[in-house]
Amino acid sequence: KAGVTQTPRYLIKTRGQQVTLSCSPISGHRSVSWYQQTPGQGLQFLFEYFSETQRNKGNFPGRFSGRQFSNSRSEMNVSTLELGDSALYLCASGGVAGAGEQYFGPGTRLTVT
Amino acid sequence: AQSVAQPEDQVNVAEGNPLTVKCTYSVSGNPYLFWYVQYPNRGLQFLLKYITGDNLVKGSYGFEAEFNKSQTSFHLKKPSALVSDSALYFCAVRDIDGTGANNLFFGTGTRLTVIP
Repeated sequence: KAGVTQTPRYLIKTRGQQVTLSCSPISGHRSVSWYQQTPGQGLQFLFEYFSETQRNKGNFPGRFSGRQFSNSRSEMNVSTLELGDSALYLCASGGVAGAGEQYFGPGTRLTVT
Repeated sequence: AQSVAQPEDQVNVAEGNPLTVKCTYSVSGNPYLFWYVQYPNRGLQFLLKYITGDNLVKGSYGFEAEFNKSQTSFHLKKPSALVSDSALYFCAVRDIDGTGANNLFFGTGTRLTVIP
C-alpha cells in the first residue's frame, strides 16, 4: 500500500506571496491532519479534515487554511507569507477516528525569503 | 489541556547498551500515547502506541514503551541500541474528547545518538 505523498517536497517563496501544498493520504484513509515543524516551536497541529469537513483546528492565524476533496486528498494554503512561516509542513493520514495512529508523509520544506 | 514533556533534549548511549528516552504526559481523560521517530529530511515514522491493556507495549525495530499511570510516564526503551537508531524521537498524546478528532500533541523531541 502506498504511503502518504506530499507535493512539492521543497518550495521557496517570497514574503507576501501565497502557497498551496498538497497531500494524498493512504488509500482508504479519510482523515488528513496537517502539522508545522520548526526548530523553535517544534511540531504544532494546524488542522484536521475528515470526509471533506474540518474537524479540528489548532491555534494558527486565518492565513492558514485547508480543504479536503471527495477522494480524501487535501490541500493547505498559506496566504500573505511571512518569514516565520518557513517550516517543514507535514501531512498525516489516519484510518480510524480517535484510536489509530497517524501515518506521516515526508513533508514539504517551505522557505520564505 | 493536554501536554507532553520530554525532559532530555539529547541522549547519548553506547552501541549495544540499553537505551531509554523519557516522556511524561498530562491529559484530562484517558491518554492515547504514541512514539514516533524522525530521520533527517524525513517525515515521522510510527513506532508504537498505548491505548489500553498491558502497560508494556512492543513496537517496531525492537522498541518498547512502558505506560505508568501513577507517574504519568511513557518511556521508550530498547534493550540493545544500534547506531542506526540515532534519530529524533517524539512522544505524542491524543486526548480523547469524544469528537474523534485526530490531532496529536507532541513533545519537543529527544535527539538520540548511539555511539559506535
